[in-house]
Parts: sequence; structure tokens; C-alpha cells
Amino acid sequence: GESVGLHLPTLSVQEGDNSIINCAYSNSASDYFIWYKQESGKGPQFIIDIRSNMDKRQGQRVTVLLNKTVKHLSLQIAATQPGDSAVYFCAENSGGSNYKLTFGKGTLLTVNP
Amino acid sequence: NAGVMQNPRHLVRRRGQEARLRCSPMKGHSHVYWYRQLPEEGLKFMVYLQKENIIDESGMPKERFSAEFPKEGPSILRIQQVVRGDSAAYFCASSPSGTGPSYEQYFGPGTRLTVT
Repeated sequence: GESVGLHLPTLSVQEGDNSIINCAYSNSASDYFIWYKQESGKGPQFIIDIRSNMDKRQGQRVTVLLNKTVKHLSLQIAATQPGDSAVYFCAENSGGSNYKLTFGKGTLLTVNP
Repeated sequence: NAGVMQNPRHLVRRRGQEARLRCSPMKGHSHVYWYRQLPEEGLKFMVYLQKENIIDESGMPKERFSAEFPKEGPSILRIQQVVRGDSAAYFCASSPSGTGPSYEQYFGPGTRLTVT
């Protein structure tokens, strides 16, 4: 897909391992964060979100951690499967709006069977 | 309930031509957002529209780009006199009516524009 490129950060894991994808966000005023998954040729798909009044949120096989002190966000995927192979983006709200999202560059996750 | 639909999926234009990208939001959604994704980049917000209104076009280039969301029919992103730098994937997202604009945005599959 168009978001996959030689210069994207990449993470390669074995099937069944846990994956951790990191993201540094830019705006200390951001108070809402989302992780998206983008498969080749498709639009971003919502995975999980977190508000700034939390530091951890869990979903099905995924956990998001937020460290506001260092403006760092991470996505943990448990028991990674080949279907998890995609580019993962973090996004933050920006400009104090309640709809405008600012996306990071993305990380390419490759799961080896 | 069909998702957000975009067409065409791929569009090739020569420099100087016009590109028209269409987006039909999900049923029950009245808020439409357009984003642009350059190669190896994240998505960049362009514009937010409601029916017959442009609410926020702060991410739109000042020239050649325009967007509309008419009372009937899809939202249109129009790029006049395209240049090679316009080559990108353009994504449309929509969010539910009745609650105001939202981060709960559902994305379409995108239109890949290639300018030759």
C-alpha cells in the first residue's frame, strides 16, 4: 500500500509473540489518542483509543499505554497473528478541536509465520 | 450498513488536468472529513464538511483545492490543474449525525491519485 515504504519504522515479529509499537506525540495539549491499523490498499481502521486522564486501556488482545510526562504512546498486541501485519498509526487530537486528528508516520508490522 | 464509499479507487491524471474525488458517507452520518496521505507519511487533515457547509478547511491548500458536500449526492474533493506533488492517497471519513463532529471517524478505502 501507499503507506508502506523503505523509510517507515519497521517491526518484524514471529507469530505468537507479543508486539510493542511506539509513538511519540507532539502536542502536550492533546488529550485524546487513537491507534489505527492500515492494511495495504485500505483505509485506516480504528483499534483502540485512550484519553489523557488514563495511562492504560485494554481491548481484545491490545493494550495502549500513555506516558504524558514524555509524550509517549505505545500499542501492545498480544499473541501476534499474521493478520496483524499492517502499518500502525497513532493519532492525537490537535488544536483543541473535537474532530481534527494529527497522525504520526506509522510503523510497519510484519508477522512471520 | 455499507461503509464509507469512495470512487474512483485509482485515478491517473496528467499535469494540468482536473481531479474529482467522490465520497459517500455511511448511512446516518452527516459529518465528512477529507485527509491526504503522502507516500510514507501519516494522514493529514484537509477539510471538515457538513451538508452544504464547509466547517473547517484549515488543512486545504490555498489554491486549486476545493471541497463540497451538497444536499444530495456525495462529497466531492476537487483538485484543479494537478501537479505531480498532488500524487497521494486521499481518504474520506464520516462520523455519526446527531452528536456533532467527532473523533469516531470511519474511513473509506481511499482514492489513489497519480499525476503523470
